[in-house]
Amino acid sequence: DTGVSQDPRHKITKRGQNVTFRCDPISEHNRLYWYRQTLGQGPEFLTYFQNEAQLEKSRLLSDRFSAERPKGSFSTLEIQRTEQGDSAMYLCASSLKLAGGTEAFFGQGTRLTVV
Amino acid sequence: GDSVTQMEGPVTLSEEAFLTINCTYTATGYPSLFWYVQYPGEGLQLLLKATKADDKGSNKGFEATYRKETTSFHLEKGSVQVSDSAVYFCALSDQGFQKLVFGTGTRLLVSP
Repeated sequence: DTGVSQDPRHKITKRGQNVTFRCDPISEHNRLYWYRQTLGQGPEFLTYFQNEAQLEKSRLLSDRFSAERPKGSFSTLEIQRTEQGDSAMYLCASSLKLAGGTEAFFGQGTRLTVV
Repeated sequence: GDSVTQMEGPVTLSEEAFLTINCTYTATGYPSLFWYVQYPGEGLQLLLKATKADDKGSNKGFEATYRKETTSFHLEKGSVQVSDSAVYFCALSDQGFQKLVFGTGTRLLVSP
């Protein structure tokens, strides 16, 4: 297994355009998380899925953001009508739900620049 | 809500120096505590973790002890190497591990 994979690695878009990012988790992991990281800050939680169910969404996730995980495998994060404030690194992580929790494995992220 | 506070960087050390990066947390219940590391150009990697009070996590010469009485999880290493240069993030999660709450990160620079 090659770990958590994110695509694309970099995206430059014009303000007002829609963008979609993809995350492929480690194959046996049933939990998938999205985080956002801005320069000089730690990652901030956006949302997570257990299998195909989206179980929690942060207040940071405005109506312009939507995430899906069809069939409980890969996930997509779409941002509609992008704004300059959306410029950030978007990180995906996956884990296997076990009693007591377990390690989250992170992808290398998608860096979004809105111009 | 839950939060993590860690010392600001950069922390600049010479090779073989002793390292401490302070981390304190605020949380309800009994969180699990983590240190993640981000090397240049790479994704976040788990460095070590502790899931209950007085547990010590250790890996690659790094250690951190879960101190409930001081709500702290300070990262230490006895002798740093140039290859340890990276950004270190302290984080916590609830017992169900539904999400991680991160500190702002501390950049470590080690010179030969």
